[in-house]
Amino acid sequence: GAGVSQTPSNKVTEKGKYVELRCDPISGHTALYWYRQSLGQGPEFLIYFQGTGAADDSGLPNDRFFAVRPEGSVSTLKIQRTERGDSAVYLCASSLNHGADTQYFGPGTRLTVL
Amino acid sequence: GENVEQHPSTLSVQEGDSAVIKCTYSDSASNYFPWYKQELGKRPQLIIDIRSNVGEKKDQRIAVTLNKTAKHFSLHITETQPEDSAVYFCAASIRGNTPLVFGKGTRLSVIA
Repeated sequence: GAGVSQTPSNKVTEKGKYVELRCDPISGHTALYWYRQSLGQGPEFLIYFQGTGAADDSGLPNDRFFAVRPEGSVSTLKIQRTERGDSAVYLCASSLNHGADTQYFGPGTRLTVL
Repeated sequence: GENVEQHPSTLSVQEGDSAVIKCTYSDSASNYFPWYKQELGKRPQLIIDIRSNVGEKKDQRIAVTLNKTAKHFSLHITETQPEDSAVYFCAASIRGNTPLVFGKGTRLSVIA
């Protein structure tokens, strides 16, 4: 079946602009995670959803970052007033539920803030 | 919170040799330890995982060992092939409770 998909694959924006990154999890997966991966680093947790609610948003770096999952499937990560330091690959992953171990990753969105 | 250290950061081996990557974790409550392989520009792919109720798990040329007392776990790849070249990440979590905490990765190069 289809894996996790993310759009866009690349996003270039200017400092101060607003961006939205989209994640489509595997159908039927109730848990969804957002990670950020900087060059040469491992993925760093941002936020995870169990169903529609954000169960843990402790990894969001500041209040410019926000994520939603209104119908318990697709999720959107929103970044306001982007800064150059936000440049990274944003990865989404899903798992059958939060008690299930295996997280399947999407291909990521490479965000470049000029 | 959990902290995962991974070594080495880079590793070069001759084709056919074995490769070993080691990780340590800080939270004794962690009980799930996956390994992901990430090729350049691609998504991380799970290659093997281990839970704290076992000490070793094998899948063909890949094995993972876990020492709960010492809080470390290792990835072993035998008979390496050029297509094993990638960045490998270890991670740790508490099943059903916490997100994955990743190491910084090991860039493995298999030289033909």
